[in-house]
Amino acid sequence: QVQLVQSGAEVKKPGSSVQVSCKASGNTFRNYVINWVRQAPGQGLEWMGEIVPGVGTRNYAPKFQGRVTITADESTNTAYMGLSSLRSDDTAVYYCARGGSIRGLLITRRGFDPWGQGTLVTVSS
Amino acid sequence: AIQMTQSPSSLSASVGDRVTITCRASQVIRNDLAWYQQKTGKAPKLLIYAVSTLQSGVPSRFSGSGSGTDFTLTISSLQPEDFGTYYCQQEYDYPWTFGQGTKVEVK
Repeated sequence: QVQLVQSGAEVKKPGSSVQVSCKASGNTFRNYVINWVRQAPGQGLEWMGEIVPGVGTRNYAPKFQGRVTITADESTNTAYMGLSSLRSDDTAVYYCARGGSIRGLLITRRGFDPWGQGTLVTVSS
Repeated sequence: AIQMTQSPSSLSASVGDRVTITCRASQVIRNDLAWYQQKTGKAPKLLIYAVSTLQSGVPSRFSGSGSGTDFTLTISSLQPEDFGTYYCQQEYDYPWTFGQGTKVEVK
């Protein structure tokens, strides 16, 4: 059973950057897309972007393009999400989630499962 | 971006009731539609993918249907543990998008 374990809560100043990590158990890290989704307090789910480990392909939501960087380290089965120029409205719980399975050039999409436990990022002066 | 619109935004139902949540996409999304359940303070849980395929371990009282732009999540007999917020999501075209959520309260 794959598990995704995220790094701990962060408190950041406006204008700074944050990096959240997501470590996957098991040996299938490079076989699945890793997504990042955030949820502001009392709000819905917002997809930020994804990475295809091994290939390094990234896709970002236009809203975050230029501010978000998603990377993956296959040697440690860990994905990272960096967000820069933080604002107060970036205060949210950030989740990683495993997405489509990868076979060669084909990605089979079957929803996001499992999810990490979430990381609260608070942006406050 | 494809907009996903859920209705209702919230509902209250009794144990044993049949509950239906709808999700409408702003354009055709083939069968690239998933449903999630989220409880307060927890990560979302995948219930259904590809419109109607039940994720492993999910009770059979949950089912999904629909095509094109209109989709439905049905709980055939609501149980006390089914409270929470339900989201639909499309993976047809980037950026992936979620519905705004439907909060289910058990009377």
